[in-house]
Amino acid sequence: GAVVSQHPSWVICKSGTSVKIECRSLDFQATTMFWYRQFPKQSLMLMATSNEGSKATYEQGVEKDKFLINHASLTLSTLTVTSAHPEDSSFYICSASGDIGSEAFFGQGTRLTVV
Amino acid sequence: SQQGEEDPQALSIQEGENATMNCSYKTSINNLQWYRQNSGRGLVHLILIRSNEREKHSGRLRVTLDTSKKSSSLLITASRAADTASYFCATDRNNFNKFYFGSGTKLNVKP
Repeated sequence: GAVVSQHPSWVICKSGTSVKIECRSLDFQATTMFWYRQFPKQSLMLMATSNEGSKATYEQGVEKDKFLINHASLTLSTLTVTSAHPEDSSFYICSASGDIGSEAFFGQGTRLTVV
Repeated sequence: SQQGEEDPQALSIQEGENATMNCSYKTSINNLQWYRQNSGRGLVHLILIRSNEREKHSGRLRVTLDTSKKSSSLLITASRAADTASYFCATDRNNFNKFYFGSGTKLNVKP
C-alpha cells in the first residue's frame, strides 16, 4: 500500500518555540492531507484539512494562527506549532489521500512534548 | 469525541473469546471505517463499510452498520493477545477521507 511518512517521530521543544512537522506521501500525489491531534488516552481530533496550493480549512475551535499548515506540493504538507506551550504536547498524525474515493493513508505520528 | 461515542470504553476478555465494540455517530455518512491503534503508535486500517452496506467480513472481523440508528459494531472473533489495542471507528461524511473519530474502545485480551 501507499506510504505516508511523518517527520520527526518525536520532538521535545522549549516553551515559546515553534516546531514544524512534515507529512509526505512517498509514492502517490496527495491532493488532500488532514491533520489530527490526539491527547493521551483520548481519541483523534481532526484539526484541519490541507489542500495543495490553497489555504487550509480548520475545524471549529482550532486556532489557525497557532497551527500553521502549508501544503506547498502534492507530496508535502507541514504543520507548524507556533509559540508552543506545554498544553500543546500531544500526538499529531497526518493522513493523505489522492482523488476522491481513493483510500486514505496515515502517517506514523509525531509525539510533541513541550517543556 | 468529534463524531460520537464508542462503548464500552474498555473491554477485558480472555484469549479465544469474542470482542464486540459499538460505535454511534451523529451525522449522515458516506462510509465508516474501523482502525486499530497500538499504544502510542500510528493507525492500522481494519475495514471499511459503505453506507449502503449492512455487514462486512474480513478474516476474524465482522462489521455491521445500521444507518437508521447511526451505529456500527465491530466483532473480533477468537481473540488473541495480539489483538490488545485501542479500536476507533471513523466516519467519512462525503467520501473525502476526512474522518471524524469515535471515542475509542481499549481492548485487553488476556493470554
